[in-house]
Amino acid sequence: AQSVTQPDIHITVSEGASLELRCNYSYGATPYLFWYVQSPGQGLQLLLKYFSGDTLVQGIKGFEAEFKRSQSSFNLRKPSVHWSDAAEYFCAVFNDYKLSFGAGTTVTVRA
Amino acid sequence: KAGVTQTPRYLIKTRGQQVTLSCSPISGHRSVSWYQQTPGQGLQFLFEYFSETQRNKGNFPGRFSGRQFSNSRSEMNVSTLELGDSALYLCASSSRTTASSYEQYFGPGTRLTVT
Repeated sequence: AQSVTQPDIHITVSEGASLELRCNYSYGATPYLFWYVQSPGQGLQLLLKYFSGDTLVQGIKGFEAEFKRSQSSFNLRKPSVHWSDAAEYFCAVFNDYKLSFGAGTTVTVRA
Repeated sequence: KAGVTQTPRYLIKTRGQQVTLSCSPISGHRSVSWYQQTPGQGLQFLFEYFSETQRNKGNFPGRFSGRQFSNSRSEMNVSTLELGDSALYLCASSSRTTASSYEQYFGPGTRLTVT
């Protein structure tokens, strides 16, 4: 069965610093991969997706992610974090009409 | 385009009662999925409907059920509520007509509290 692991439960980063969130997946075929963000009390917002092709994908809010098949990873990055990026981030893999999510990484931004 | 809407946004029920949650997908989207989010278990898939047919179901007891109507709106029902059913219930819709339609767009959720 497919699964997603987000090794970091919580990350604290200074405003203006770079951010990288890790995601590892377990899936036999070519995965459909997603990153979502959730602000407190809100639903999930899609940041970006990977289906095929270029392994570096751009998303909204200045985020990008790189698919590395050899490492079974799909890490999310942002060059310069803003205070509004404080939220919980979820990596997910799509298969059989459903999303399987990682446990999430909470990002705290300090001034 | 309006986003996914869910009603009600907040709900308080007592153990043993039943509850019905509603989801209206983005206009033109024919697929609706439901997820449960709790601090302990995270985000878990409940079920997915496409054109009124359930395509997949997660590992939840039979107390959890759902349906989809001809206008793509969906409802989920939980009978005989337990304290552990307290959660944020999220609905997502997808157009599911091309490869890119695997994108799922989420509503704000219904916060269910069982006392």
